[in-house]
Amino acid sequence: GAGVSQSPSNKVTEKGKDVELRCDPISGHTALYWYRQSLGQGLEFLIYFQGNSAPDKSGLPSDRFSAERTGGSVSTLTIQRTQQEDSAVYLCASSLVQGATTGNTIYFGEGSWLTVV
Amino acid sequence: QQQVKQSPQSLIVQKGGISIINCAYENTAFDYFPWYQQFPGKGPALLIAIRPDVSEKKEGRFTISFNKSAKQFSLHIMDSQPGDSATYFCAARALSGGSYIPTFGRGTSLIVHP
Repeated sequence: GAGVSQSPSNKVTEKGKDVELRCDPISGHTALYWYRQSLGQGLEFLIYFQGNSAPDKSGLPSDRFSAERTGGSVSTLTIQRTQQEDSAVYLCASSLVQGATTGNTIYFGEGSWLTVV
Repeated sequence: QQQVKQSPQSLIVQKGGISIINCAYENTAFDYFPWYQQFPGKGPALLIAIRPDVSEKKEGRFTISFNKSAKQFSLHIMDSQPGDSATYFCAARALSGGSYIPTFGRGTSLIVHP
Protein backbone atom coordinates (compact mmCIF):
# COMPACT_ATOMS: atom_id res chain seq x y z
CA GLY A 1 0.00 0.00 0.00
CA ALA A 2 0.92 3.63 -0.27
CA GLY A 3 0.80 4.43 3.42
CA VAL A 4 1.79 2.94 6.76
CA SER A 5 -0.42 -0.05 7.46
CA GLN A 6 -1.21 -1.30 10.95
CA SER A 7 -3.07 -4.34 12.17
CA PRO A 8 -5.26 -5.10 13.92
CA SER A 9 -7.12 -1.79 13.90
CA ASN A 10 -8.89 -2.80 17.10
CA LYS A 11 -8.00 -5.40 19.71
CA VAL A 12 -9.78 -6.30 22.91
CA THR A 13 -7.85 -8.61 25.18
CA GLU A 14 -8.11 -9.92 28.68
CA LYS A 15 -5.76 -8.73 31.37
CA GLY A 16 -2.69 -10.96 31.53
CA LYS A 17 -2.79 -12.04 27.89
CA ASP A 18 -0.06 -11.23 25.37
CA VAL A 19 -0.78 -9.13 22.28
CA GLU A 20 1.09 -8.50 19.05
CA LEU A 21 0.61 -5.39 16.94
CA ARG A 22 1.92 -5.26 13.40
CA CYS A 23 3.22 -2.38 11.31
CA ASP A 24 3.99 -2.32 7.58
CA PRO A 25 5.95 0.87 6.87
CA ILE A 26 6.02 2.72 3.58
CA SER A 27 8.23 0.86 1.13
CA GLY A 28 11.78 2.19 1.18
CA HIS A 29 11.48 3.91 4.53
CA THR A 30 14.37 2.92 6.74
CA ALA A 31 13.23 4.66 9.93
CA LEU A 32 10.33 3.21 11.90
CA TYR A 33 8.79 4.54 15.10
CA TRP A 34 6.26 3.26 17.60
CA TYR A 35 4.26 5.71 19.70
CA ARG A 36 1.49 5.25 22.23
CA GLN A 37 -1.41 7.67 22.40
CA SER A 38 -3.47 7.78 25.55
CA LEU A 39 -6.32 10.18 26.18
CA GLY A 40 -4.94 13.55 27.14
CA GLN A 41 -1.37 12.30 27.15
CA GLY A 42 -0.24 13.14 23.66
CA LEU A 43 2.12 10.91 21.74
CA GLU A 44 4.46 8.89 23.91
CA PHE A 45 7.58 7.58 22.17
CA LEU A 46 8.17 3.86 22.60
CA ILE A 47 10.87 2.60 20.25
CA TYR A 48 12.76 3.62 17.09
CA PHE A 49 14.41 1.54 14.38
CA GLN A 50 16.83 2.98 11.83
CA GLY A 51 18.25 0.69 9.19
CA ASN A 52 20.53 -1.95 10.64
CA SER A 53 21.40 0.08 13.72
CA ALA A 54 20.49 -1.09 17.20
CA PRO A 55 16.98 0.14 18.04
CA ASP A 56 16.44 2.98 20.49
CA LYS A 57 14.32 1.34 23.17
CA SER A 58 14.51 4.22 25.62
CA GLY A 59 10.75 4.85 25.55
CA LEU A 60 9.54 1.36 26.37
CA PRO A 61 7.64 1.70 29.67
CA SER A 62 8.47 -1.75 31.06
CA ASP A 63 10.09 -5.05 30.18
CA ARG A 64 6.64 -6.32 29.20
CA PHE A 65 7.02 -4.30 26.02
CA SER A 66 9.27 -5.38 23.16
CA ALA A 67 9.49 -4.82 19.44
CA GLU A 68 11.33 -6.22 16.51
CA ARG A 69 11.75 -5.32 12.91
CA THR A 70 12.40 -8.11 10.45
CA GLY A 71 14.29 -7.57 7.21
CA GLY A 72 14.29 -3.84 7.73
CA SER A 73 10.60 -3.65 6.93
CA VAL A 74 7.71 -5.06 8.96
CA SER A 75 7.72 -4.44 12.70
CA THR A 76 5.87 -6.16 15.53
CA LEU A 77 5.22 -4.60 18.92
CA THR A 78 4.58 -7.21 21.60
CA ILE A 79 3.02 -6.52 24.97
CA GLN A 80 3.23 -9.39 27.43
CA ARG A 81 0.91 -9.91 30.37
CA THR A 82 -1.23 -6.94 29.41
CA GLN A 83 -2.52 -4.59 32.08
CA GLN A 84 -5.48 -2.23 31.97
CA GLU A 85 -3.13 0.76 31.84
CA ASP A 86 -1.83 -0.56 28.52
CA SER A 87 -5.13 0.40 26.92
CA ALA A 88 -4.30 3.03 24.31
CA VAL A 89 -3.86 3.60 20.60
CA TYR A 90 -0.51 2.31 19.38
CA LEU A 91 0.75 4.31 16.42
CA CYS A 92 3.44 3.27 14.01
CA ALA A 93 5.23 5.73 11.76
CA SER A 94 7.98 5.63 9.17
CA SER A 95 10.26 8.03 7.32
CA LEU A 96 13.13 8.05 4.87
CA VAL A 97 16.73 8.05 6.02
CA GLN A 98 17.57 10.56 8.70
CA GLY A 99 19.78 13.44 7.71
CA ALA A 100 20.90 16.81 8.87
CA THR A 101 19.75 18.60 5.75
CA THR A 102 16.21 17.40 5.30
CA GLY A 103 13.11 17.44 7.46
CA ASN A 104 12.18 13.83 6.71
CA THR A 105 8.42 13.87 6.99
CA ILE A 106 7.17 11.19 9.34
CA TYR A 107 4.11 9.31 8.11
CA PHE A 108 1.80 7.73 10.65
CA GLY A 109 -0.48 4.76 10.31
CA GLU A 110 -4.03 4.88 11.61
CA GLY A 111 -3.09 3.04 14.76
CA SER A 112 -4.10 -0.08 16.63
CA TRP A 113 -6.65 0.58 19.38
CA LEU A 114 -5.92 -1.76 22.28
CA THR A 115 -8.43 -2.31 25.06
CA VAL A 116 -7.47 -4.47 28.01
CA VAL A 117 -10.43 -5.71 30.04
CA GLN B 1 9.98 15.51 32.07
CA GLN B 2 8.02 17.16 29.30
CA GLN B 3 10.36 18.64 26.73
CA VAL B 4 7.64 20.25 24.64
CA LYS B 5 4.81 22.01 26.45
CA GLN B 6 1.66 22.73 24.47
CA SER B 7 -1.30 24.93 25.32
CA PRO B 8 -4.22 25.19 25.45
CA GLN B 9 -5.44 21.62 25.89
CA SER B 10 -8.67 22.51 24.15
CA LEU B 11 -9.87 25.42 22.05
CA ILE B 12 -13.24 26.47 20.74
CA VAL B 13 -13.53 29.15 18.06
CA GLN B 14 -16.22 30.42 15.77
CA LYS B 15 -16.05 29.95 12.04
CA GLY B 16 -13.94 32.69 10.52
CA GLY B 17 -12.00 33.30 13.71
CA ILE B 18 -8.30 32.84 14.43
CA SER B 19 -7.11 29.75 16.27
CA ILE B 20 -3.82 30.04 18.13
CA ILE B 21 -1.93 27.15 19.70
CA ASN B 22 1.31 27.67 21.57
CA CYS B 23 4.29 25.46 22.28
CA ALA B 24 7.46 25.91 24.29
CA TYR B 25 10.55 23.73 24.27
CA GLU B 26 13.56 23.31 26.49
CA ASN B 27 16.20 21.48 24.49
CA THR B 28 18.29 23.92 22.46
CA ALA B 29 19.44 21.04 20.24
CA PHE B 30 15.99 20.98 18.62
CA ASP B 31 16.19 22.41 15.12
CA TYR B 32 13.07 21.27 13.34
CA PHE B 33 9.54 22.06 14.52
CA PRO B 34 6.62 20.36 12.77
CA TRP B 35 2.92 20.58 13.50
CA TYR B 36 0.67 17.57 13.00
CA GLN B 37 -3.09 17.44 12.51
CA GLN B 38 -5.09 14.42 13.62
CA PHE B 39 -8.70 13.66 12.79
CA PRO B 40 -10.66 11.12 14.86
CA GLY B 41 -9.73 7.56 13.97
CA LYS B 42 -6.77 8.63 11.87
CA GLY B 43 -3.07 8.94 12.47
CA PRO B 44 -1.43 12.36 12.78
CA ALA B 45 -0.42 13.96 9.48
CA LEU B 46 2.18 16.65 8.90
CA LEU B 47 0.55 20.04 8.51
CA ILE B 48 3.41 22.53 8.40
CA ALA B 49 6.96 22.74 9.74
CA ILE B 50 9.61 25.37 10.41
CA ARG B 51 13.36 25.59 10.94
CA PRO B 52 14.77 28.04 13.51
CA ASP B 53 16.52 30.14 10.88
CA VAL B 54 13.21 31.83 10.01
CA SER B 55 10.70 33.54 12.29
CA GLU B 56 7.57 32.74 10.33
CA LYS B 57 6.28 30.29 7.76
CA LYS B 58 2.93 30.52 6.05
CA GLU B 59 1.06 27.91 4.04
CA GLY B 60 -2.43 28.97 3.08
CA ARG B 61 -4.41 29.71 6.23
CA PHE B 62 -1.79 28.10 8.47
CA THR B 63 1.16 30.07 9.88
CA ILE B 64 3.92 29.09 12.26
CA SER B 65 5.53 31.86 14.28
CA PHE B 66 8.89 31.02 15.83
CA ASN B 67 10.73 32.84 18.62
CA LYS B 68 14.15 31.25 19.05
CA SER B 69 15.26 33.38 22.00
CA ALA B 70 12.10 32.55 23.94
CA LYS B 71 12.15 28.93 22.75
CA GLN B 72 8.53 29.20 21.73
CA PHE B 73 6.57 28.57 18.57
CA SER B 74 2.91 28.83 17.71
CA LEU B 75 0.40 27.77 15.10
CA HIS B 76 -2.10 30.29 13.81
CA ILE B 77 -5.10 29.16 11.80
CA MET B 78 -6.68 32.11 10.03
CA ASP B 79 -10.34 32.09 8.95
CA SER B 80 -10.89 28.88 10.92
CA GLN B 81 -13.35 26.45 9.34
CA PRO B 82 -15.41 23.59 10.82
CA GLY B 83 -13.26 21.22 8.76
CA ASP B 84 -10.26 22.35 10.79
CA SER B 85 -11.77 20.70 13.86
CA ALA B 86 -9.13 18.18 14.89
CA THR B 87 -6.37 17.57 17.38
CA TYR B 88 -3.14 19.46 16.74
CA PHE B 89 0.26 18.38 17.98
CA CYS B 90 3.43 20.41 17.96
CA ALA B 91 6.71 18.55 17.88
CA ALA B 92 10.44 19.14 17.96
CA ARG B 93 13.34 17.17 16.56
CA ALA B 94 17.11 17.51 16.52
CA LEU B 95 18.24 16.89 12.94
CA SER B 96 21.84 17.93 13.43
CA GLY B 97 23.16 15.31 15.77
CA GLY B 98 21.49 14.06 18.89
CA SER B 99 18.30 12.11 18.65
CA TYR B 100 16.20 12.34 15.51
CA ILE B 101 13.19 11.09 17.43
CA PRO B 102 10.47 13.74 17.51
CA THR B 103 9.16 14.84 20.88
CA PHE B 104 5.48 15.75 20.81
CA GLY B 105 3.37 18.11 22.84
CA ARG B 106 0.24 16.75 24.52
CA GLY B 107 -2.05 18.01 21.82
CA THR B 108 -4.80 20.61 21.46
CA SER B 109 -8.34 19.65 20.63
CA LEU B 110 -9.74 22.34 18.34
CA ILE B 111 -13.45 22.72 17.70
CA VAL B 112 -14.62 25.27 15.15
CA HIS B 113 -18.31 26.08 15.43
CA PRO B 114 -20.17 26.87 12.20
